[in-house]
Formats: sequence, C-alpha cells, structure tokens
Amino acid sequence: EAGVAQSPRYKIIEKRQSVAFWCNPISGHATLYWYQQILGQGPKLLIQFQNNGVVDDSQLPKDRFSAERLKGVDSTLKIQPAKLEDSAVYLCASSFSPQGRTDTQYFGPGTRLTVL
Amino acid sequence: ILNVEQSPQSLHVQEGDSTNFTCSFPSSNFYALHWYRWETAKSPEALFVMTLNGDEKKKGRISATLNTKEGYSYLYIKGSQPEDSATYLCARTGRRSQGNLIFGKGTKLSVKP
Repeated sequence: EAGVAQSPRYKIIEKRQSVAFWCNPISGHATLYWYQQILGQGPKLLIQFQNNGVVDDSQLPKDRFSAERLKGVDSTLKIQPAKLEDSAVYLCASSFSPQGRTDTQYFGPGTRLTVL
Repeated sequence: ILNVEQSPQSLHVQEGDSTNFTCSFPSSNFYALHWYRWETAKSPEALFVMTLNGDEKKKGRISATLNTKEGYSYLYIKGSQPEDSATYLCARTGRRSQGNLIFGKGTKLSVKP
C-alpha cells in the first residue's frame, strides 16, 4: 500500500513570496490533516478535512494560509505572503475513519520550508 | 488547548542500554494517547494507540504503558540499537476533539554503537 505522498520535500523562498505544498493521502482515507512543526516544537494542527469539507481550521492563520481538498482526495496548502516565522516542516497525514480519535494517522515525509 | 509534556528532551545512550521516556498530559477530557517515532528525513511512524487506564502495548523491543488517572505514559526501549535513534513523539486526542493530535515536543534519542 502506498503511503502519504508530499511534494516538494524542500523549499526555500524569500519573505513575502508565495508557496504551495501538495499532499496525496492513502487511497480511501476520509480524513486529511495538515500539521506545522516549528523547530523545537511538536507538530501543530493547521487544518483538518473530512472528505472535502473542513472539520477544524481554528489554528490556520487565514490571512495568509489557505487549503483545499479537491474531490476529497489530494490537498494543497498555500502560504501567501510568507513570513520568516513560517519556516517549519509541513506534515500531511491521513486516516481512514471520518472521526479518528483512536485512528492511526499516517504521515507523509513533510515539506521543509525555509523563509529568508 | 491542553499541553502535552515530554521528558527528557534528549537522551544519549550506548548500544544495548535500555531506556524510557515520559509523556505527561492533562487527564481531564482524555480519549486516546498516540506514540510516534520520527527518524530524520523520514515520515513519522505510528507505534501505539492506547485508550484504557493500565493499557500496555508492545512492538518488538518497544513497549508502552498508560495511566489515564494521573495523566502519564511511559515508552520503554529494551536493548537500544543504533537504528532506534529518532525523535519519539506522543500526542493525545480529547473527548470533544474530531481526531486532531495535540503533540508534545518529543524526546530525541541517540544510540551510540
């Protein structure tokens, strides 16, 4: 079974530029998550989708971050414009169930973003 | 948002040593505790999901216990090997959550041959 795919793996941009990350979850997984992991911190949820609807985006900085999940499958996360504090690893995860409090979340390898 | 704390932050052991880490979390509104292993440049890998007080799980040389009343979980590695070198993350989900994980900062383990 293929895992969660993410691209790109690394991205370096200057502040005020835009960037987009792509995630392809495991086939058949209803729930998709985007987490942000800043160096020295644990991953923090940015947004959670169930199929193609948003379940939780309470911690997404909506003035600059946006995300969508097309047809309930792939997802993109965009930052526009980027700030220095957005430097982090962006992790995508997926789980099978619509409500996954005990479900295993399967993670992709992440995108490491550096904002200069 | 309720904090999950992990200790120690980092740990250096020799090959063959046994070791353990602690994950502390607020016991109120608790639903499940997850452990992940994250090797550099790889995807975080799920180790265990535990829900019941007194739960014990084992996977090879790695085991975990859960105390939901006092709000802690221990992860044990018996006979550490260099390939165990990774960051070990714990995360909780709450009763009122939709499944999102609230992570600790992790324990970084380095095993010297």
